[in-house]
Amino acid sequence: QLQLQESGSGLVKPSQTLSLTCAVSGGSISSGGYSWSWIRQPPGKGLEWIGYIYHSGSTYYNPSLKSRVTISVDRSKNQFSLKLSSVTAADTAVYYCARGVRQFYAFDIWGQGTMVTVSS
Amino acid sequence: DIQMTQSPSTLSASVGDRVTITCRASQSISSWLAWYQQKPGKAPKLLIYKASSLESGVPSRFSGSGSGTEFTLTISSLQPDDFATYYCQQYNSYSLTFGGGTKVEIK
Repeated sequence: QLQLQESGSGLVKPSQTLSLTCAVSGGSISSGGYSWSWIRQPPGKGLEWIGYIYHSGSTYYNPSLKSRVTISVDRSKNQFSLKLSSVTAADTAVYYCARGVRQFYAFDIWGQGTMVTVSS
Repeated sequence: DIQMTQSPSTLSASVGDRVTITCRASQSISSWLAWYQQKPGKAPKLLIYKASSLESGVPSRFSGSGSGTEFTLTISSLQPDDFATYYCQQYNSYSLTFGGGTKVEIK
């Protein structure tokens, strides 16, 4: 059973860079047919897709965040990562990593989520 | 960007009720629509993909329909475990967006 686990700093200062990693266990991130996404949810609000990466390294980002986002994959460690630069309080959210099934573009496996607070 | 509008935003219902949630896309997305259920403090759970396909392990009381710009999620007989928030999600041209969510509350 494939599982995802987010890790990273829970507190980031304004203007700095948020960094998170999603470790994939129980399966290979290099398996074809899947994308690997980051999705966030501000407290009490809805879901926002941040971006995704294929094992090949191809990336696709939410246009509203594109200038600040970098998603990368480390196949040797079976994990993928998120960097979000120039953060503000509006970036405070629970951040989820998720596996997308390329065949129907939906997220079938999610991490438990990690809360990131932007505050000085 | 494609906008997804869900309605209603909140729904009060009783156990055994038939419940319908609607999601409208700002332009056609064919059948590239998924539905998720989220409970407080938990990650979303995939219920329906490709507008009407039931994810493995999801009870058959959940069903999805629609294509183009209008989609519905129906719960045929609401159970106590179904009180949660539901989100639709679309895919189009390498980009995805979620609807604003529908909270299903106990009446």
